[in-house]
Amino acid sequence: EPEVTQTPSHQVTQMGQEVILRCVPISNHLYFYWYRQILGQKVEFLVSFYNNEISEKSEIFDDQFSVERPDGSNFTLKIRSTKLEDSAMYFCASRPDRYSYEQYFGPGTRLTVT
Amino acid sequence: DAKTTQPNSMESNEEEPVHLPCNHSTISGTDYIHWYRQLPSQGPEYVIHGLTSNVNNRMASLAIAEDRKSSTLILHRATLRDAAVYYCILNFGNEKLTFGTGTRLTIIP
Repeated sequence: EPEVTQTPSHQVTQMGQEVILRCVPISNHLYFYWYRQILGQKVEFLVSFYNNEISEKSEIFDDQFSVERPDGSNFTLKIRSTKLEDSAMYFCASRPDRYSYEQYFGPGTRLTVT
Repeated sequence: DAKTTQPNSMESNEEEPVHLPCNHSTISGTDYIHWYRQLPSQGPEYVIHGLTSNVNNRMASLAIAEDRKSSTLILHRATLRDAAVYYCILNFGNEKLTFGTGTRLTIIP
């Protein structure tokens, strides 16, 4: 069964460094999302992406964050200058099309900012 | 976003049915009712969704009240693998998911 994959599984970085989290959504899916979950807290929406542009973003998704679909398979989340409070699990999700409402999540990348 | 209310935790015996309730009294006419679950140390997983009629799939059943102000996720025969946090989420269907704190389901062997 096709699944969303994410790399790396765990990323450790120093405060102020740039990180890129990578996701390979399910092939032929058209809608892409990033969510994050700080340890012990709720899963929070960050951004949705469709047709090569952001369709919605949350207040968390400030100028330090960006997303890109550099080719036909990858979907990346970049954090330009990481802060301690960016430490969280980051989940990528994809959805087939406008008629299918279920989102398929990846296993997540644990980001630790020291 | 319309709000949902779920019990913080529930327990069930293995191999017995589990009924997970969700109240959503402020649901709008266009809101779909979605259920996701999150197994320990994993990403959320889609379970089922519905609008007005009861729905069945290979994972679970969704029973929706006639006035749509509440719904129940039914796991017909719980296994240890079903231990997870279950989230009831309302949305129009094609946009972001807004997760609450969900119901932590413990399965007793």
